[in-house]
Amino acid sequence: DIQMTQSPSSLSASVGDRVTITCRASQSISSYLNWYQQKPGKAPKLLIYAASSLQSGVPSRFSGSGSGTDFTLTISSLQPEDFATYYCQQSYSTPPLWTFGPGTKVDIK
Amino acid sequence: EVQLVESGGGLVKPGGSLRLSCAASGFTFSSYSMNWVRQAPGKGLEWVSSISSSSSYIYYADSVKGRFTISRDNAKNSLYLQMNSLRAEDTAVYYCARGGGEQRKKLDYWGQGTLVTVSS
Repeated sequence: DIQMTQSPSSLSASVGDRVTITCRASQSISSYLNWYQQKPGKAPKLLIYAASSLQSGVPSRFSGSGSGTDFTLTISSLQPEDFATYYCQQSYSTPPLWTFGPGTKVDIK
Repeated sequence: EVQLVESGGGLVKPGGSLRLSCAASGFTFSSYSMNWVRQAPGKGLEWVSSISSSSSYIYYADSVKGRFTISRDNAKNSLYLQMNSLRAEDTAVYYCARGGGEQRKKLDYWGQGTLVTVSS
């Protein structure tokens, strides 16, 4: 199975900060990497798919990059509504034994 | 508007069974693969099972294989998860999620989740 790791596990940031979260796969997954945002008590929300494609309706301050084993989610200017936990997920496996990273919690400094 | 609404969660004893449902609306249900993803209290997300649009392909995480059965009824726009031989570690919020995109490789819509608690 493909294992996913994320760093950091948590971070504190201020409104307006540029935030970067890293995700690493245990083997090459090409660009089959998605990013989700989850707020407490709510369902996850898809932000980025195929490593760098912005899901419809998601603000342009969110961006993704990477391929192979190393990926990055960047929030260019953190907004109050962005404080949440972020998960990466690989969709490379066939059959789809998909796996999520452990999450990165972004909170207010 | 795409909507996914789960139901069927609750408190069940270890070894018991439960059937979850997910009612879909706002899209052509029969054209999409569907998934169940769970989240234990205070923990991360775990993919549980996937079913293709016509039920031809079905997959499970090792943690539930042989105990859980995914199914769908395209005429009723509904997804199901039959959970048998439940264990304490199955306690979680269960989400249904649509497999979107051309290759159905992104979970683009999620339900609000239903809580399953396995405890004596």
